[in-house]
Amino acid sequence: AQKVTQAQTEISVVEKEDVTLDCVYETRDTTYYLFWYKQPPSGELVFLIRRNSFDEQNEISGRYSWNFQKSTSSFNFTITASQVVDSAVYFCALLLNTDKLIFGTGTRLQVFP
Amino acid sequence: DTAVSQTPKYLVTQMGNDKSIKCEQNLGHDTMYWYKQDSKKFLKIMFSYNNKELIINETVPNRFSPKSPDKAHLNLHINSLELGDSAVYFCASSRTVKYEKLFFGSGTQLSVL
Repeated sequence: AQKVTQAQTEISVVEKEDVTLDCVYETRDTTYYLFWYKQPPSGELVFLIRRNSFDEQNEISGRYSWNFQKSTSSFNFTITASQVVDSAVYFCALLLNTDKLIFGTGTRLQVFP
Repeated sequence: DTAVSQTPKYLVTQMGNDKSIKCEQNLGHDTMYWYKQDSKKFLKIMFSYNNKELIINETVPNRFSPKSPDKAHLNLHINSLELGDSAVYFCASSRTVKYEKLFFGSGTQLSVL
């Protein structure tokens, strides 16, 4: 089976808190890519990161960081010092050789001032 | 300049009508997609075209017909609209078919009454 699970449906935090969004994927393919997209209240889908299955290095981009662990099939996303503008639905997605981007069900993050 | 643009942004129509959603990308990409996002925010691929050729056709009712007049355009025509077609439809494009980042349009919210 090929699927992406985002077990956290909704997370609420207060500004400046750190928050981690979990993503667990399933695939038997050895070559695949993982993505995170952000969908703010305005509705568009904004690309955040793409990571291939052969690169397990963690990545940091400003307040955002990603932890990829093949051993646990996880690709978690952490926002440090969250801000109100981070409020959005965040989607983890898996791309296989079939070229179909398989999305998780999304995690709604609400950051309160 | 908007990279992937789709029109209209909102579409309200009666059951049984036929409607079209247009999509254009100015990124010079070879591959374009249609995704559907349901009321629970679940995103699923519908179609994919590479250089005007259909490469992915998920289990979608044949009332939905994509048309790609050239590689910069992928339009979605829907016949005999049903209540269950109400959703947000996203157009996307990528440089090629393999493992590439998808750029999404801002979505078309279709409401069938």
